Amino acid sequence: KQEVTQIPAALSVPEGENLVLNCSFTDSAIYNLQWFRQDPGKGLTSLLLIQSSQREQTSGRLNASLDKSSGRSTLYIAASQPGDSATYLCAVRPMDSSYKLIFGSGTRLLVRP
Amino acid sequence: GAGVSQTPSNKVTEKGKYVELRCDPISGHTALYWYRQSLGQGPEFLIYFQGTGAADDSGLPNDRFFAVRPEGSVSTLKIQRTERGDSAVYLCASSLGRGENTEAFFGQGTRLTVV
Repeated sequence: KQEVTQIPAALSVPEGENLVLNCSFTDSAIYNLQWFRQDPGKGLTSLLLIQSSQREQTSGRLNASLDKSSGRSTLYIAASQPGDSATYLCAVRPMDSSYKLIFGSGTRLLVRP
Repeated sequence: GAGVSQTPSNKVTEKGKYVELRCDPISGHTALYWYRQSLGQGPEFLIYFQGTGAADDSGLPNDRFFAVRPEGSVSTLKIQRTERGDSAVYLCASSLGRGENTEAFFGQGTRLTVV
């Protein structure tokens, strides 16, 4: 059974720091991995999608990497800003049920001014 | 519409009542999903529609939960005899298809509170 873990559960950093959020999954047979952002009381906003054949994706100050063989992904945020404060969720799409996303519990990020 | 739309955004109901939650997916998306998110947790899969049919309803917690998508677009999640444990955020997502390139887009969710 696929399980997704995100560490740390919470993170507080001063503005301007570069930071890394971690995501690990137990079964490497995935179609893709997706990173989402969730603001308090809101839905999920898709940030980056990495296909299983790719190793990384970039969007602005965000860079996500994927190491399928070791079951790991990282989300790198450069020059963090208070507006980046949110919960970040990663989710994998397993090959045995490609329509379904399996989520981690998220990392709650606070960027202090 | 431009994105996935869910109504209502908030719903408070009394224990034992019946509720309906609506999802309007992105136009042209054939796949539709319902997830449930409890406080401090990631979303958990409930049900998946491909077109009008429920291709997988294995995530529905019990027979009080039911969902329909009669015309292959709008979907309604129905909960009978609500219990306090049903309180959560119910999220709907849609996508163009399946596989490696499939990106899921989520709505803002419906926060259900059973009192």
